Amino acid sequence: EIVMTQSPATLSVSPGESATLSCRASQSVRGNLAWYQQKPGQPPRLLIYGAHTRATGIPARFSASGFGTDFTLTISSLQSEDFAVYYCQQFNTWLTFGGGTKVEIK
Amino acid sequence: EEQLVESGGDWVQPGRSLRLSCAASGFSFDDYDMHWVRQAPGKGLEWVSSITWNGGNRGYADSVKGRFTVSRDNAKKSLYLEMSSLRAEDTALYFCVKDTTFRWGQGTMVTVS
Repeated sequence: EIVMTQSPATLSVSPGESATLSCRASQSVRGNLAWYQQKPGQPPRLLIYGAHTRATGIPARFSASGFGTDFTLTISSLQSEDFAVYYCQQFNTWLTFGGGTKVEIK
Repeated sequence: EEQLVESGGDWVQPGRSLRLSCAASGFSFDDYDMHWVRQAPGKGLEWVSSITWNGGNRGYADSVKGRFTVSRDNAKKSLYLEMSSLRAEDTALYFCVKDTTFRWGQGTMVTVS
């Protein structure tokens, strides 16, 4: 089973600043990685697939990179609606999720 | 528009069984692998099971292997999860997820107590 590890668990950021979230896989998942945003009471919303491609309707302030085992999601100029929990997910071998990073208001 | 609607969640006693369903619409269901993912209250996301487009290959998380069975009926555009020997730790919101575009349903709640 592929284990996905996200860091940090919590990130405190002021509105307008940028946030960088990390995700590491226990073995290579090539480019088969997605990022999600989840707010309370809602299902996860797909932000990024294929490691770096924004999903339909996702603002350009969300960007992602990485390949193999190390991945990064960057949110530039955080807006109020961006404070949420973010998950990475590999889909190279079935699915596995990271434990999540909570982005909170500083 | 792609849509997934889960149903079948309920409150059940430990050791009992339950069957979840997911009705798909707005896309060619039999072209896609499908997944079940769950989220315990206040916790993160956990993959439960997956099934390929034609049902030929199925995968399960270790935590449910031997107790849960995934299946699909492409003619009815439906995905199923048969859950048996339920435990308290199976309590969660269960989501149906479409592969590739990773569209999610709203989930159906299973409480084992």
